[in-house]
Amino acid sequence: DAKTTQPPSMDCAEGRAANLPCNHSTISGNEYVYWYRQIHSQGPQYIIHGLKNNETNEMASLIITEDRKSSTLILPHATLRDTAVYYCIVRVDRDDKIIFGKGTRLHILP
Amino acid sequence: EAQVTQNPRYLITVTGKKLTVTCSQNMNHEYMSWYRQDPGLGLRQIYYSMNVEVTDKGDVPEGYKVSRKEKRNFPLILESPSPNQTSLYFCAIRTREGDTQYFGPGTRLTVL
Repeated sequence: DAKTTQPPSMDCAEGRAANLPCNHSTISGNEYVYWYRQIHSQGPQYIIHGLKNNETNEMASLIITEDRKSSTLILPHATLRDTAVYYCIVRVDRDDKIIFGKGTRLHILP
Repeated sequence: EAQVTQNPRYLITVTGKKLTVTCSQNMNHEYMSWYRQDPGLGLRQIYYSMNVEVTDKGDVPEGYKVSRKEKRNFPLILESPSPNQTSLYFCAIRTREGDTQYFGPGTRLTVL
């Protein structure tokens, strides 16, 4: 079973920041938080990952709470091309056996 | 840039007719995996391979076989396909040291 809980869907206005939450209350000390997204039926695309510090790259920012039981993916200026299903995953670093949950379907509204 | 190729991209077949879905990579990555994606169930791992001649079962291996005779290829074999194997299949790769997986474009399989 997936070890994360995400809302099934969210809406965000184009140009605004999209904040996608994820709960992972049973995360272990050696497990990382990863985010992927899947546009329509394409292969999932890596976005970002982190252990306990907040992370930022050219696509998004990842905010992890101090107790590591939840995190938020932030897309700073959402565009229509960001419409996708976003998956939050916890896994041991470099463990190839990963479990995708049902994700959050993000709708960007024009 | 990592590239994963899957063939065929679409396939309609009948129950019991053996088929193979190929997966090839151009990056010499050690790790390769197969997933299936079904509505309401998300992505589930079928098999994975950590290197040549090393394969392990994922969460839903029943009805599938894989082989890893060379590093660049990781074919998925359905010896006797059944309708419940109708699904969208993805191959994924990553390096031994890598943190992220790169997914192929997907193969949509329909078993009648």
